[in-house]
Amino acid sequence: GEDVEQSLFLSVREGDSSVINCTYTDSSSTYLYWYKQEPGAGLQLLTYIFSNMDMKQDQRLTVLLNKKDKHLSLRIADTQTGDSAIYFCAETPNSNSGYALNFGKGTSLLVTP
Amino acid sequence: DGGITQSPKYLFRKEGQNVTLSCEQNLNHDAMYWYRQDPGQGLRLIYYSQIVNDFQKGDIAEGYSVSREKKESFPLTVTSAQKNPTAFYLCASSWGYQPQHFGDGTRLSIL
Repeated sequence: GEDVEQSLFLSVREGDSSVINCTYTDSSSTYLYWYKQEPGAGLQLLTYIFSNMDMKQDQRLTVLLNKKDKHLSLRIADTQTGDSAIYFCAETPNSNSGYALNFGKGTSLLVTP
Repeated sequence: DGGITQSPKYLFRKEGQNVTLSCEQNLNHDAMYWYRQDPGQGLRLIYYSQIVNDFQKGDIAEGYSVSREKKESFPLTVTSAQKNPTAFYLCASSWGYQPQHFGDGTRLSIL
């Protein structure tokens, strides 16, 4: 299938904001997700947004959705060293794969002191 | 606590051998999924099951098989036909469009 696109790497200083961007493929995707993966671990759901919303805020996390451009972003405020991980954007495409997710390749976030 | 348990955490396969990865969930989810993750890659769908006794191939099903005899369990067998099985395997479950919950993964390597 088509690819969900993410930049591969982002480096920020502790205390700054991080913004991770994603371009998804299917304009009919019902939900869009952000997952976090720490080394050697499974995926942890960070947040998700329903397709009829423009923005969702959850503590330090802000998700912005631009359906016209099929663009999704995740902003992490006051980024901490514990936020260093790989962040995956995922969509629920209108395909023949049930509710399986279509993932980007992930953005490695490095937070430096 | 509710969640998904994958075992073993590490697995080694010899040439010509089939190996089975276990995935158990106690979240009462109808749907379960197997994904494969290679270094620097996203997750690719191997198989999924939306209901007991039914499952469907994903994008990279060749060389793999599954069963879904119980709602809680969705084991994945990596057969000898899978020529490049070294990867990190992740199991997930969900109810409809609700977010998928993931296990901690199994890392499979070749001896």
